[in-house]
Amino acid sequence: QSSLTQPASVSGSPGQSVTMSCTGVNIDVGFFVSWYRQYPGEAPKLIIYEVHKRPSGVSGRFSGSKSGNTASLTISGLQTEDEADYHCCSYSSKDTYWVFGGGTKLTVL
Amino acid sequence: QVQLQESGPGLVKSSETLSVTCDVSGYPIINGFYWGWIRRPPGKGLEWLGSFYRGDVYYNPYFKSRVSISGDRSKNQVSLTLTAVTAADTATYFCARVGSGFPWDYWGRGTLVTVFS
Repeated sequence: QSSLTQPASVSGSPGQSVTMSCTGVNIDVGFFVSWYRQYPGEAPKLIIYEVHKRPSGVSGRFSGSKSGNTASLTISGLQTEDEADYHCCSYSSKDTYWVFGGGTKLTVL
Repeated sequence: QVQLQESGPGLVKSSETLSVTCDVSGYPIINGFYWGWIRRPPGKGLEWLGSFYRGDVYYNPYFKSRVSISGDRSKNQVSLTLTAVTAADTATYFCARVGSGFPWDYWGRGTLVTVFS
């Protein structure tokens, strides 16, 4: 079965930068990678699409990249409001299939 | 402005069928874009269940034998049915739209469905 592996948790202090990974298992992590921030009890919000693009209104502190079969999300200038769950997602155009990672909980110390 | 609003039963008995609907406003579902269902079980990550596109439907193979998704043009609504539910199907169910570049760009607030025995 195809899956995306994310670290269960990452942490950082205010003002620092943090990077979290998303690695494909039995799936090619290609161009259509997206990232979502989710607060408890709320819907996910799109923050990165097509590996590195930001939707209108999303802070420039969020950036995305990809190397090989691993995508990464970097948050710079950490703020307490960044404390949330972050989910990666990859779309396969060959199969019309989306797969999500298990999510990473970001703690801002 | 696209808006999505899920509605569901809240509680479903084990082995029975779960049905949730999503009312879409601001864009006719039949005009394009993928519309789909994603769930999040407690303590776990997001799971894509399936998507609807202009009458065609695509399913996550893991759920394919149990899931059915349909669209109602007259009501501008997308529906999800999941059969033979177990406690593992307890989750918040979200409907969402796929935007350009295939990300999920619009989401409903979600509806929590709890399976009890």
